[in-house]
Amino acid sequence: AQSVTQPDIHITVSEGASLELRCNYSYGATPYLFWYVQSPGQGLQLLLKYFSGDTLVQGIKGFEAEFKRSQSSFNLRKPSVHWSDAAEYFCAVGGSSGNTPLVFGKGTRLSVIA
Amino acid sequence: GAVVSQHPSRVICKSGTSVKIECRSLDFQATTMFWYRQFPKQSLMLMATSNEGSKATYEQGVEKDKFLINHASLTLSTLTVTSAHPEDSSFYICSAVEGSGANVLTFGAGSRLTVL
Repeated sequence: AQSVTQPDIHITVSEGASLELRCNYSYGATPYLFWYVQSPGQGLQLLLKYFSGDTLVQGIKGFEAEFKRSQSSFNLRKPSVHWSDAAEYFCAVGGSSGNTPLVFGKGTRLSVIA
Repeated sequence: GAVVSQHPSRVICKSGTSVKIECRSLDFQATTMFWYRQFPKQSLMLMATSNEGSKATYEQGVEKDKFLINHASLTLSTLTVTSAHPEDSSFYICSAVEGSGANVLTFGAGSRLTVL
């Protein structure tokens, strides 16, 4: 069965500090992996995606993620967090077909303190 | 880039009434749209897959008679919550796949339904 695990429900970091949000997945075929961000009461914005090729992918807002097949992980990182990064972050996995819905993790809420 | 518009963004209704939520792909055609439901501080749960010109495919546990989905055109899918009850209060989000091949979902901004 397809599943996504985000082990951290809530993370608090200081502004300017580095960030890593963990994501592990279970998928029967070649996974397509995504990170989305959601601000309160808003929809989801795509941060980055991995389909194939270079396992380190760059996204918007200075985020990056690394696909590690051996660990079934796709952790999200940012070297220096800004207060505006406070939001809910969702990792998701899907297939190659456009008719395949995404399966989401439970999300990690990021708080940023001064 | 691809834009998905959802309307209304917020709706409050009385128990027993029906509410329709629209999901439009503004600058692309979407043969497939997905409807998700999100409870407060929880993840997105897939409700159904909406296919243009055919019946929607519902996930296990989702009442198809309560959550009516219609995908009458390549740019519009609607979700109607029939005879709404307070437990149907939730955040409903639609998404659509742009183009063929790459599975990149674009999400609408969501619709918050409150049933009194």
